[in-house]
Amino acid sequence: EVQLVESGGGLVQPGGSLRLSCAASGFTFSSYEMNWVRQAPGKGLEWVSYISSSGSTIYYADSVKGRFTISRDNAKNSLYLQMNSLRAEDTAVYYCARDGKGVAGFDYWGQGTLVTVSS
Amino acid sequence: IQLTQSPSSLSASVGDRVTITCRASQGISSYLAWYQQKPGKAPKLLIYAASTLQSGVPSRFSGSGSGTDFTLTISSLQPEDFATYYCQQLNSYSITFGQGTRLEIK
Repeated sequence: EVQLVESGGGLVQPGGSLRLSCAASGFTFSSYEMNWVRQAPGKGLEWVSYISSSGSTIYYADSVKGRFTISRDNAKNSLYLQMNSLRAEDTAVYYCARDGKGVAGFDYWGQGTLVTVSS
Repeated sequence: IQLTQSPSSLSASVGDRVTITCRASQGISSYLAWYQQKPGKAPKLLIYAASTLQSGVPSRFSGSGSGTDFTLTISSLQPEDFATYYCQQLNSYSITFGQGTRLEIK
């Protein structure tokens, strides 16, 4: 069974940092591209970042470029999101999502972890 | 690429046929997916490549379209279908989602 489990969320002050993790199991993690998607309270979905299976190709949404860093450790079956210079508008539930093969959408999602940026 | 869904909200009854549309600001071929999200839960993939049903998704869900105009149709609404639906374009990175369509019970 495919499972994605996020962790690392919490309350952080504006300007602070946080590192999210996503533990993957039930599939060959190193063969899949991965993404982070977030959802502010009561709002829609916003794609945040993408990483290729090897980690060699990375993309970011303009809203987080220069502040967030996506990475992965295929030996540990883990995906990460390092978030720096956090702002109030970064408050959201953050989901990790597996990229289906080709352009098949995001076929598996974690349960999400809440990040709250507030003083 | 911007995605505009219509309507933003919709009231319908069990057994109704419902159609949600998604319009892209530029052509995206068939690189469109549809998701269902229930409160407090992660999104669930329903349709990818505009019209391909994800494994395990009931056949009452269907998708169509290409280029800039797409539709998600639920042929006969079931109680468990009341949720929010999002379209997503995968034509380019940056990926974008539509603003969502909330489907409510009439």
